[in-house]
Amino acid sequence: DAGITQSPRHKVTETGTPVTLRCHQTENHRYMYWYRQDPGHGLRLIHYSYGVKDTDKGEVSDGYSVSRSKTEDFLLTLESATSSQTSVYFCAISEGTSGKNIQYFGAGTRLSVL
Amino acid sequence: RKEVEQDPGPFNVPEGATVAFNCTYSNSASQSFFWYRQDCRKEPKLLMSVYSSGNEDGRFTAQLNRASQYISLLIRDSKLSDSATYLCVWGLYNFNKFYFGSGTKLNVKP
Repeated sequence: DAGITQSPRHKVTETGTPVTLRCHQTENHRYMYWYRQDPGHGLRLIHYSYGVKDTDKGEVSDGYSVSRSKTEDFLLTLESATSSQTSVYFCAISEGTSGKNIQYFGAGTRLSVL
Repeated sequence: RKEVEQDPGPFNVPEGATVAFNCTYSNSASQSFFWYRQDCRKEPKLLMSVYSSGNEDGRFTAQLNRASQYISLLIRDSKLSDSATYLCVWGLYNFNKFYFGSGTKLNVKP
């Protein structure tokens, strides 16, 4: 299994509170991603990173911010959580070289915003 | 139009059956293709990459048709343990971005 750890694995929070999810990898892969998965929508990209301090938006980035200060850590922050952000969040990593751009996923974080 | 379209199913098949899923993609610049498997309440896991020439891994065969922009997955001799959701994925090398289908649910019954 790829060395990806997400924390926390489960979280319940209230509307309006800030929430930070952490993704930690031990593979030294260049690319890291945050997705959310909701019924009927599949996996949707929130933000991704292509190196330390290099990040870009995905298709559903509103209400989310990210930071990557070290190769191994990619943080996802919900500045002020809303009920629409209740979802399962997956972190993924990719080596990033041509022919080896397979993604590997963490176990996910189940977030409930009440 | 969605980047990736899949029939959500469920496909309910008996053990030992052969089942096939198709997936269409919208971007002709797509460069890499994959099938992932996702069990209930678990993370997606790579099942197989899909190559232009088609590829086989045991009971699983994947095909790519660039002209019609679809990929397929064939599962022979279905096992109970094959019950899962199968996600179709395509990616762009240059941007290392990936696009996922919503998945096709397979139920293999005794």
